[in-house]
Amino acid sequence: DIQMTQSPSTLSASVGDRVTITCRASQNIDGWLAWYRQKPGKAPNLLIYRASSLQSGVPSRFSGTISGTQFTLTISSLQPDDFATYYCQQYFTSPYTFGQGTKLEI
Amino acid sequence: EVQLLESGGGLVQPGGSLRLSCAASGFTFSDYAMAWVRQAPGRGLEWVSGMGGRGSLMKYIDSVKGRFTISRDNFKNTLYLQMNGLRDDDTAVYYCAKGSYLTSFEVVNWGQGTLVTVSS
Repeated sequence: DIQMTQSPSTLSASVGDRVTITCRASQNIDGWLAWYRQKPGKAPNLLIYRASSLQSGVPSRFSGTISGTQFTLTISSLQPDDFATYYCQQYFTSPYTFGQGTKLEI
Repeated sequence: EVQLLESGGGLVQPGGSLRLSCAASGFTFSDYAMAWVRQAPGRGLEWVSGMGGRGSLMKYIDSVKGRFTISRDNFKNTLYLQMNGLRDDDTAVYYCAKGSYLTSFEVVNWGQGTLVTVSS
């Protein structure tokens, strides 16, 4: 199975900060990577697909980049709604594994 | 508007069975891959099983192979997960998940989840 390793596990930041979360795949996934945000007690929602494409309706402060097997989610200016847990997921090959999550705290 | 409504969760003893259902609406069900993703209490997301839009491409994580069976009824617009031989570590919220097209398994839409608790 492909392992997805996210870092950091926890990140403390303030409203207005620029933050970056990283996800590394254990092998090539050809850019088939998605990012999700999950607020407490809620289902996740899709932010980015195909490593860098913004899902419809998602604010432009979210962006994704790819460099080989390393993927980055950047939030350019944190809003109160962004304090949540973020997950990456590879959908290149089954099982379509998730990273362990990054909790973004105030 | 896409809606995914799970049902069938509950409390079951180890070794028991449950069948989860996901009633879908607001899109052409047979055109999209569907999946089940679970989340144990206080833990991260785990992709469990998925199926392509036409009923092909059935996939499972190793820990549920031989115990869980995914299926879909494209006439009833419903996704199922038959879970047999349940274990304590199957305890989780199970989300119904819709992909972006026929065979793509990034999750564009999620249900609200149904809780499965395996305990004696």
